[in-house]
Amino acid sequence: EVQLVESGGGLVQPGGSLRLSCAGSGFIFSDYWMHWVRQVPGEGLVWVARVKGDGIEVNYDDSVKGRFTISRDNARNTVDLQMNSLRVDDTAVYFCVKGGTTYSYLLEWGQGTLVAVSS
Amino acid sequence: QTVVTQEPSFSVSPGGTVTLTCGLSSGSVSTRNYPNWCQQISGQSPRTLIYNTNTRASGVPDRFSGSILGNKAALTITGAQADDESDYFCALYMRGGTWVFGGGTKLTVL
Repeated sequence: EVQLVESGGGLVQPGGSLRLSCAGSGFIFSDYWMHWVRQVPGEGLVWVARVKGDGIEVNYDDSVKGRFTISRDNARNTVDLQMNSLRVDDTAVYFCVKGGTTYSYLLEWGQGTLVAVSS
Repeated sequence: QTVVTQEPSFSVSPGGTVTLTCGLSSGSVSTRNYPNWCQQISGQSPRTLIYNTNTRASGVPDRFSGSILGNKAALTITGAQADDESDYFCALYMRGGTWVFGGGTKLTVL
């Protein structure tokens, strides 16, 4: 059974940093694309970033480019999202999502971790 | 900026059939956008129903189906049930390696 467990959320001041982590199990982690998707409670889903299985190819939404960095450690089966220069509008629940192998479909979702940016 | 469009709301009678659509503000949706459909019941994490236009995710009943209808992606629910009442989001893959979600459709079963 695939499991994705996010951690690292919390309250941070505007301009601050936070690092989210997602631990994957139940599949060959290094074979799969991984994504981060966020959602302001009560609103829609917003794709944030993806990283290929080998960790080399990454892509970002324009709203986070230059501020967020996605990375993975295939030895530990984790994918991280380093978030810098946080803004109030980054406040959201952040979901870790397992993709496909060749194609980065959005396949299986974690339970999410809440990031609140506020002074 | 590419905008993915969905009906804000839809209603269907129990046992009925409903088709939700997913379009682009400019241009047509094709299989190269690998349309992805997710269901989110209130208070829960999203669950993927359909990926790559028409492939059902593991465990998804066959009353959920995906297709391309005209210039849009479509999710059809056949024989709607009360527990299908939820939000449905589509996501499209864009050239450049990014994904964009639509605003979601709130489906009411009544």
